[in-house]
Amino acid sequence: AQSVTQPDIHITVSEGASLELRCNYSYGATPYLFWYVQSPGQGLQLLLKYFSGDTLVQGIKGFEAEFKRSQSSFNLRKPSVHWSDAAEYFCAVGPQTTSGTYKYIFGTGTRLKVLA
Amino acid sequence: GAGVSQSPSNKVTEKGKDVELRCDPISGHTALYWYRQSLGQGLEFLIYFQGNSAPDKSGLPSDRFSAERTGGSVSTLTIQRTQQEDSAVYLCASSLTRGDSYEQYFGPGTRLTVT
Repeated sequence: AQSVTQPDIHITVSEGASLELRCNYSYGATPYLFWYVQSPGQGLQLLLKYFSGDTLVQGIKGFEAEFKRSQSSFNLRKPSVHWSDAAEYFCAVGPQTTSGTYKYIFGTGTRLKVLA
Repeated sequence: GAGVSQSPSNKVTEKGKDVELRCDPISGHTALYWYRQSLGQGLEFLIYFQGNSAPDKSGLPSDRFSAERTGGSVSTLTIQRTQQEDSAVYLCASSLTRGDSYEQYFGPGTRLTVT
């Protein structure tokens, strides 16, 4: 079955520290992978996406993610966290177009807290 | 351009009443999705519409939930005989469905509170 796992429910880092949010997926085909951020009271905003090609992708707000097929992972990283990065982060996979379905599967999210 | 809009932004209703939530997708987007986000939870897929195809309703939690999309644009999610467990934020998203544009664009959500 297709699934996305974000093993860390909460993460706390100090401002200026580096960040890595984990995402593992189970998917039957080459995945399309996404990271979204949800600030309090807001909808979801796309940070970055991977479709093919270079396995290290750059996104907005200084985030990057690396697709590792052998580990079925797509971890999100940022070298230096800012207080404004405090939010909830969702990893998603989909759609599985080869089967004609356009559903996406989201992880349960990781809530990031940033200490001043 | 305009993003995905949803209305109302907040809805408080009494248990047993029916509610309608509206989503206006980005113009030209062929796919439209509804998700439910309960407090502290991830996104629960409810239903999606793709062009003129039959909608995928596999995520609707009960027959009290239904949705329609008129003219390939605006969508309405209807919850009949609301229950307290229906309280959540309902998110709508739209997307194109071509090779390089599968990203979803989300609306701000409708916060539903059933008292």
